[in-house]
Amino acid sequence: SAVISQKPSRDICQRGTSLTIQCQVDSQVTMMFWYRQQPGQSLTLIATANQGSEATYESGFVIDKFPISRPNLTFSTLTVSNMSPEDSSIYLCSVTTSGRVNEQYFGPGTRLTVT
Amino acid sequence: LAKTTQPISMDSYEGQEVNITCSHNNIATNDYITWYQQFPSQGPRFIIQGYKTKVTNEVASLFIPADRKSSTLSLPRVSLSDTAVYYCLVWRRGASKIIFGSGTRLSIRP
Repeated sequence: SAVISQKPSRDICQRGTSLTIQCQVDSQVTMMFWYRQQPGQSLTLIATANQGSEATYESGFVIDKFPISRPNLTFSTLTVSNMSPEDSSIYLCSVTTSGRVNEQYFGPGTRLTVT
Repeated sequence: LAKTTQPISMDSYEGQEVNITCSHNNIATNDYITWYQQFPSQGPRFIIQGYKTKVTNEVASLFIPADRKSSTLSLPRVSLSDTAVYYCLVWRRGASKIIFGSGTRLSIRP
């Protein structure tokens, strides 16, 4: 298993600004992912954070809007850039500790409100 | 990846056994069935996975018939704290990601 923390836990931001969300894991992990979950909805995968290389983005998500860093095996950041109210959502980080991608451990999430 | 279909919501009462069925008609040989649980205001939690027949752990049991076109998550003697959204996923061995469906919102009443 893995213990994951995210900062901030929540934030209220103004339109046009950017927010960087941090994800810290208590052990080295093989893979890290970023998801978005809008209120009452399911989770949507934004990207896979690759250590030492560019993230792999899913359809509909681009690096300019959601730049991701993963400088080592325990830490990653997701930036939500040039925010609009449509970006209001919960952003979740998850990791795998084995090679099985279907066994992921999730952080508590960051609740973002854009006004 | 095989598409999954599960009820949008279910209601039950404390002490009852709850069975949530997921349909995955197009499941392939290399696909595994995985269930997650998400409590309000928390991230999802992996609870169980299986390939065929029956798997049981401290949280739930997973029943998979021989044709593997469906699976049933069984929660014995539920309590109010089992109120959550339950997601059924099909993961292909070697795939680099998982896709969450719409999930089943389970409400437990006293």
